[in-house]
Amino acid sequence: NAGVTQTPKFQVLKTGQSMTLQCAQDMNHEYMSWYRQDPGMGLRLIHYSVGAGITDQGEVPNGYNVSRSTTEDFPLRLLSAAPSQTSVYFCASSLIRAGGGNEQFFGPGTRLTVL
Amino acid sequence: AQSVAQPEDQVNVAEGNPLTVKCTYSVSGNPYLFWYVQYPNRGLQFLLKYITGDNLVKGSYGFEAEFNKSQTSFHLKKPSALVSDSALYFCAVRVRSSGNTPLVFGKGTRLSVIA
Repeated sequence: NAGVTQTPKFQVLKTGQSMTLQCAQDMNHEYMSWYRQDPGMGLRLIHYSVGAGITDQGEVPNGYNVSRSTTEDFPLRLLSAAPSQTSVYFCASSLIRAGGGNEQFFGPGTRLTVL
Repeated sequence: AQSVAQPEDQVNVAEGNPLTVKCTYSVSGNPYLFWYVQYPNRGLQFLLKYITGDNLVKGSYGFEAEFNKSQTSFHLKKPSALVSDSALYFCAVRVRSSGNTPLVFGKGTRLSVIA
């Protein structure tokens, strides 16, 4: 299994540009999520999904869109990039079982710089 | 609402000495608790989790954590630190539910093990 994969690894954007960060998993996990990691802020949840066609907002959703058309893929879209979106982005996935005791598996991250 | 506090930004310990990385949590209900480790320029890796049962949980790389309900704590411990344990450590909590509630992370603690 490849686990959770993310592309690209690095990206530089200009303010106002749009782009999509890709995330895919091959573990048949129902739950997928996007986090951003900033120094001193830990990991903050952007959006998450509990299955194909179902998404919900996390702590910091503004400026980001998601969709979940398949179990495997969960892309994150930046519609109009801003310097405040400079960060490292992580995708994670897990099974959903009664109670919520499943650990999440993380991708390697995408380092995004917005100029 | 659920939250996690990691009161120390940085923990320094000499190689061979025991280490403790502190975590306290707040949830409305019973928690599931997790520890993750992040090495430089990598994604997060799962270390261990508390679901139910024995309050002392053993995980990867010789780490263990003790769940203390009265103190709402889940401190990470290791009897003898290695230089290779130097990394960023995150505690996370999820309230016990139907399984699809988001995982909430602390801000992380940087562990430095000195030879």
